[in-house]
Amino acid sequence: DAKTTQPTSMDCAEGRAANLPCNHSTISGNEYVYWYRQIHSQGPQYIIHGLKNNETNEMASLIITEDRKSSTLILPHATLRDTAVYYCIVRAYSGAGSYQLTFGKGTKLSVIP
Amino acid sequence: ETGVTQSPTHLIKTRGQQVTLRCSSQSGHNTVSWYQQALGQGPQFIFQYYREEENGRGNFPPRFSGLQFPNYSSELNVNALELDDSALYLCASSQSLLAGGRTGELFFGEGSRLTVL
Repeated sequence: DAKTTQPTSMDCAEGRAANLPCNHSTISGNEYVYWYRQIHSQGPQYIIHGLKNNETNEMASLIITEDRKSSTLILPHATLRDTAVYYCIVRAYSGAGSYQLTFGKGTKLSVIP
Repeated sequence: ETGVTQSPTHLIKTRGQQVTLRCSSQSGHNTVSWYQQALGQGPQFIFQYYREEENGRGNFPPRFSGLQFPNYSSELNVNALELDDSALYLCASSQSLLAGGRTGELFFGEGSRLTVL
């Protein structure tokens, strides 16, 4: 699976949009971009994923550049409960159904009151 | 719909001992994977089970072993514990694409925190 690069930490004011970047310049054509987050002392939580089109769900939006070498996770109105470590992961579906995810260190997002 | 549950939540062992961690997968999920998360690091994939067989393994020695039962619950066993095995052990369940799962989304439990002294 392709490697990703994320900033170590970011701050965001409560109520503002949080934009979390991720570089994945070696991504292959069959690899998806996944975002998970981990709130302190909890297990990781799935947020969103996409292949090449922008995606939106009730939690966030995912913007993938046309060349697919980078993406941005957008939390439209950050709240204090969004303070967490955010992981960007790229992976391909395995024919055997394997769900191995390769987590990096992620971005520590701190939402400031 | 019940989520992924793990037990125990915390435990302390000494070097050389053996430990068994348990996981009940989310209702309807037939695939279970295990991850190890050391302090300050992201989770690292240990292995995955589908239809009671291991079908993927990360870079972990054979003293890390597992089982999946017919009800899709799972166990992680670690023999000959070492100090570096101290970590949060996470279980995640999913519905295999082979069985009609769509997103490949993993649902994680809260983890079992193991301390080896």
